Amino acid sequence: KAGVTQTPRYLIKTRGQQVTLSCSPISGHRSVSWYQQTPGQGLQFLFEYFSETQRNKGNFPGRFSGRQFSNSRSEMNVSTLELGDSALYLCASSLQYPTGELFFGEGSRLTVL
Amino acid sequence: QQQVKQSPQSLIVQKGGIPIINCAYENTAFDYFPWYQQFPGKGPALLIAIRPDVSEKKEGRFTISFNKSAKQFSLHIMDSQPGDSATYFCAASRDNNDMRFGAGTRLTVKP
Repeated sequence: KAGVTQTPRYLIKTRGQQVTLSCSPISGHRSVSWYQQTPGQGLQFLFEYFSETQRNKGNFPGRFSGRQFSNSRSEMNVSTLELGDSALYLCASSLQYPTGELFFGEGSRLTVL
Repeated sequence: QQQVKQSPQSLIVQKGGIPIINCAYENTAFDYFPWYQQFPGKGPALLIAIRPDVSEKKEGRFTISFNKSAKQFSLHIMDSQPGDSATYFCAASRDNNDMRFGAGTRLTVKP
């Protein structure tokens, strides 16, 4: 069974640009969560989607947005990139909502120059 | 936003030692407490989890101890091995929603 797939794995952007990250959950999983991982802040919750609806949102500015498609695949977008947005963005899927067991992808490492 | 405090930040033990990682939480509504293990270049993976109706849970060499009155829980790794070297995260959630993670502990097990 394939795990959570995130693309791209690495990307470099400049300040002011926007970026879209993609996440394909484990087959059959319907909930997708996004986290930002940085050395100083650890894992910070961004948002969670289930049945194409955002169920929870963390404390991030409106520049961070996401969506989920009918096949449970999810995308997150960051607009007007800032240097501080450099991080590993992790997607996690779970079988249903709500659920505690998260299955993480390997992440998309974003560097903002 | 940090509702789960984890310590220490880093830990070095010899092979066979018993590293202990501690976490404290604030929200008494939390009812699910997992530990995740992350190797470099990989995403975190669920290691073991506990609910507040028990005080201890063992899975292989990994044990969670839970103290509800103190709002603390800890991870013990028995007979640690170099392959256990990784970053460990504690977490907590309420009704399985909105998982809050600790800052992580980088464990090094020396041969």
